Amino acid sequence: GAVVSQHPSWVICKSGTSVKIECRSLDFQATTMFWYRQFPKQSLMLMATSNEGSKATYEQGVEKDKFLINHASLTLSTLTVTSAHPEDSSFYICSARAGTSMETQYFGPGTRLLVL
Amino acid sequence: DQQVKQNSPSLSVQEGRISILNCDYTNSMFDYFLWYKKYPAEGPTFLISISSIKDKNEDGRFTVFLNKSAKHLSLHIVPSQPGDSAVYFCAATYLGGGADGLTFGKGTHLIIQP
Repeated sequence: GAVVSQHPSWVICKSGTSVKIECRSLDFQATTMFWYRQFPKQSLMLMATSNEGSKATYEQGVEKDKFLINHASLTLSTLTVTSAHPEDSSFYICSARAGTSMETQYFGPGTRLLVL
Repeated sequence: DQQVKQNSPSLSVQEGRISILNCDYTNSMFDYFLWYKKYPAEGPTFLISISSIKDKNEDGRFTVFLNKSAKHLSLHIVPSQPGDSAVYFCAATYLGGGADGLTFGKGTHLIIQP
């Protein structure tokens, strides 16, 4: 089946630093990738939708200058949390869509970010 | 504002019995619904979906029912097996609006007891 990987799976950083999270579709090309965030005991919240070669579309309330998304190729999207603060500590999960239907959206295992 | 609600954080069911997971939504624009299953340290995987033009969709042991008037859907698993123990997420989207992303519920942790 379609596999989506994320790297790193766990990251701890100091407040004020930037952290980059990679999302890769390993065995398929994804024109569209999505970034979600999940706080403890909360639902996955869509942060942004990225299409290869174009600017990401951010959901309301998500700061685009803080969460930089780059979808440089059909198999790679990156999320950079700039000047991270403790309140950015969360579980970040990406998904990649292999086709046009919603069922072909495959999720990565997630990245746990802890900002000290 | 939680647009998709899964009010049961956990559910315990005996092996072989029916598991019923519930989901409610508030946004009447949603026209497509999906259920995902998630094991620890893995991403959610697609399980079954239903369009708003249907009220039932069945796939093997899994059946999803949709009650549009009540804005309620449920996932039935029968018979329940130990491997079904996981967190189940209900998700919704508005295909008619060209939406791409999904709105998720908080999930229900299903525990199948032997």
